[in-house]
Amino acid sequence: AQRVTQPEKLLSVFKGAPVELKCNYSYSGSPELFWYVQYSRQRLQLLLRHISRESIKGFTADLNKGETSFHLKKPFAQEEDSAMYYCARGGNTDKLIFGTGTRLQVFP
Amino acid sequence: DGGITQSPKYLFRKEGQNVTLSCEQNLNHDAMYWYRQDPGQGLRLIYYSQIVNDFQKGDIAEGYSVSREKKESFPLTVTSAQKNPTAFYLCASSITRTGGIYGYTFGSGTRLTVV
Repeated sequence: AQRVTQPEKLLSVFKGAPVELKCNYSYSGSPELFWYVQYSRQRLQLLLRHISRESIKGFTADLNKGETSFHLKKPFAQEEDSAMYYCARGGNTDKLIFGTGTRLQVFP
Repeated sequence: DGGITQSPKYLFRKEGQNVTLSCEQNLNHDAMYWYRQDPGQGLRLIYYSQIVNDFQKGDIAEGYSVSREKKESFPLTVTSAQKNPTAFYLCASSITRTGGIYGYTFGSGTRLTVV
């Protein structure tokens, strides 16, 4: 089955600690991968796309085709990073497939 | 506020009633989508539409219906046949029919509660 796996439902870290939110996908073609973020009481919004190869709010994600992973990383977590994060996979398809999400809690 | 509007923000329904959730976008996007968001289950696709007057079932279409009479609008009706309708519903749109390439823009959601 074509799916996106986010193994951690909850990830808790202290401010200043490194963060890695895991995402693995299954797809036989060339994937388009995304990270979406949902802050408290805000709408789901695009954080970054792998094709853009950019860093947003200090977050980066590298596509590893060999491991079929697209983990989201940030070297120093901030309290304002606390949110729900969803990994999503597209490709030459008409819709995205979302993971089940990881809630990141950053403690002061 | 974002170009894609969902209303109402909160909706209460009595058992046995149908309710319709509104989704309007002024982004000139071709494709529109309805997702259901439940804790621990992520986003599950209900229906999607790539073009006016056409739509496809998603993974959990049973108990729901949609229409796409205008490019800007994609209302979702939650029917009495939906056994567990209490949830947070998200509408999204994509610039092209191949939403899997460019990603989505999301609305702010409607929280439906059956009372």
